[in-house]
Amino acid sequence: GQNIDQPTEMTATEGAIVQINCTYQTSGFNGLFWYQQHAGEAPTFLSYNVLDGLEEKGRFSSFLSRSKGYSYLLLKELQMKDSASYLCAPMDSNYQLIWGAGTKLIIKP
Amino acid sequence: GAVVSQHPSWVICKSGTSVKIECRSLDFQATTMFWYRQFPKQSLMLMATSNEGSKATYEQGVEKDKFLINHASLTLSTLTVTSAHPEDSSFYICSARRAGDVSEQYFGPGTRLTVT
Repeated sequence: GQNIDQPTEMTATEGAIVQINCTYQTSGFNGLFWYQQHAGEAPTFLSYNVLDGLEEKGRFSSFLSRSKGYSYLLLKELQMKDSASYLCAPMDSNYQLIWGAGTKLIIKP
Repeated sequence: GAVVSQHPSWVICKSGTSVKIECRSLDFQATTMFWYRQFPKQSLMLMATSNEGSKATYEQGVEKDKFLINHASLTLSTLTVTSAHPEDSSFYICSARRAGDVSEQYFGPGTRLTVT
């Protein structure tokens, strides 16, 4: 079957760094997306990894290891507005996104 | 570019009535649109995939006669919730895939439906 595993909730301090891990199992693989979702809003795109390695985009970076079925999202210089849910969504062989429940990130001053 | 809008952003309706939600790609052509539903603190659940000019493909457990999807043009898809019940109250989100791009989906802002 297809499965996503992320921590349910994480807490971090403003200005710090946090890493959100994701392991996945899919039928085929066509890349992995990370989305940010604030409460009551739709997801917004953060990153897309299709090859192994690290993709850096400003304060956010995303890493992928296809052989391990593993990805992480790294958030630096945390700001209060980063409090949100972070969704790891791999794409299967049918180009369909597979969704987990996401990781709720709480930022404290 | 790649902006997707939804209308309405929220709606309250009485049990037994029907509600139509529109999803529009504003600055690109979307050959494929997706409809999701999300209950509080749960993951997005794909309801159906619609391709322009053809019938939607519904996920297992989603009643196609209750959730009518029409994708009549390359910029518009509609979801009609027929004979709505309180358990249909949820956050409905559409996304669109640009023509020729099989990867990224662009999400609309969502529609909050409350059935009383």
